[in-house]
Amino acid sequence: EDQVTQSPEALRLQEGESSSLNCSYTVSGLRGLFWYRQDPGKGPEFLFTLYSAGEEKEKERLKATLTKKESFLHITAPKPEDSATYLCAVQGGGSEKLVFGKGTKLTVNP
Amino acid sequence: DVKVTQSSRYLVKRTGEKVFLECVQDMDHENMFWYRQDPGLGLRLIYFSYDVKMKEKGDIPEGYSVSREKKERFSLILESASTNQTSMYLCASSSPGAQETQYFGPGTRLLVL
Repeated sequence: EDQVTQSPEALRLQEGESSSLNCSYTVSGLRGLFWYRQDPGKGPEFLFTLYSAGEEKEKERLKATLTKKESFLHITAPKPEDSATYLCAVQGGGSEKLVFGKGTKLTVNP
Repeated sequence: DVKVTQSSRYLVKRTGEKVFLECVQDMDHENMFWYRQDPGLGLRLIYFSYDVKMKEKGDIPEGYSVSREKKERFSLILESASTNQTSMYLCASSSPGAQETQYFGPGTRLLVL
């Protein structure tokens, strides 16, 4: 059974304090690992898709990396507007479904 | 720009009512999904559809049904709403292929009294 575990559950940072969020996964035949951002009361917003170990993608202050067992979302010099819940999901071979982690709630204080 | 819309942002219903949640996407996607999201439980898949008139059960289909008569529209039906169906409902769509990213709608927050 495909599984996704995200850590920590919650993270508080000061503005400018860089850190990383972790997504550990087990999946049969990874087709894709997805990162989403979700603001309170809204639907998840797509950030990145990673397909193979060693792949990296960047968007503004965010950088996602992938190994065979986990993915990291690195946040460099975060700003208060980066505060949100970050969700990780995997898609296994032969399936149209995503399996989601429970998310990391990030708070960035000014 | 990708667009998934849901018919209501907030909905209040009474126990036993039949509830319809509508989702429309304008990206010509084959796949559509319905999830519910609850604190501490994350997103859980209720039903999905990979083509018109086709449907597959997700992880928690009990108490729900779906309808997909047109490619762009996917409806979630609560046959007889119960208080334990109070939740945030999210619709998503994707296109099968090399980049199967799911794009989500804004969500419907349903309260069943």
